Amino acid sequence: KAGVTQTPRYLIKTRGQQVTLSCSPISGHRSVSWYQQTPGQGLQFLFEYFSETQRNKGNFPGRFSGRQFSNSRSEMNVSTLELGDSALYLCASCEAGVADTQYFGPGTRLTVL
Amino acid sequence: KQEVTQIPAALSVPEGENLVLNCSFTDSAIYNLQWFRQDPGKGLTSLLLIQSSQREQTSGRLNASLDKSSGRSTLYIAASQPGDSATYLCAVGGSARQLTFGSGTQLTVLP
Repeated sequence: KAGVTQTPRYLIKTRGQQVTLSCSPISGHRSVSWYQQTPGQGLQFLFEYFSETQRNKGNFPGRFSGRQFSNSRSEMNVSTLELGDSALYLCASCEAGVADTQYFGPGTRLTVL
Repeated sequence: KQEVTQIPAALSVPEGENLVLNCSFTDSAIYNLQWFRQDPGKGLTSLLLIQSSQREQTSGRLNASLDKSSGRSTLYIAASQPGDSATYLCAVGGSARQLTFGSGTQLTVLP
């Protein structure tokens, strides 16, 4: 099976712009989670989608949002970008159960200038 | 709130050594614990998953143990190789498929 894919791999934006990142989970996986990784804060949970519904959300401002489509593909959107949003954004998928192995994609490197 | 700590933050060893990476967590109400490897600028590669009811898991030269009652896990790497150089991350799985990560151990294996 193909692994988790994320597009684009690299993005450069300026403050105030918005950005949309895409994640395609492993075939058959119904859960998609998003994480932000920065040198200062490490890996932090953004949100999780299961069957097109957001099931869990981390402690991030409302500028961060997401959605999941019927084919389990997911997008996350960040509006009004700030310099501090520069990070590696990672997507993970798992089959369905809370104890399932999570598989991560290669990430999208976002740079905000 | 779950907190995960990894010690040491960095480790440098000569090739061929056996080594142990440590992970501790504050809330024992976990579903599982997962060890990942991350190469610079890359995503995370899953190494081992231990369910909350299990004590250990093995894959090749890797062995991970879990002691829920004491809030500890260890990752044992046998006969280390330069290709093992990477950052190793421990993540605790709670409810709703959310992982809480430690800050990682940066491992360098010297040829």
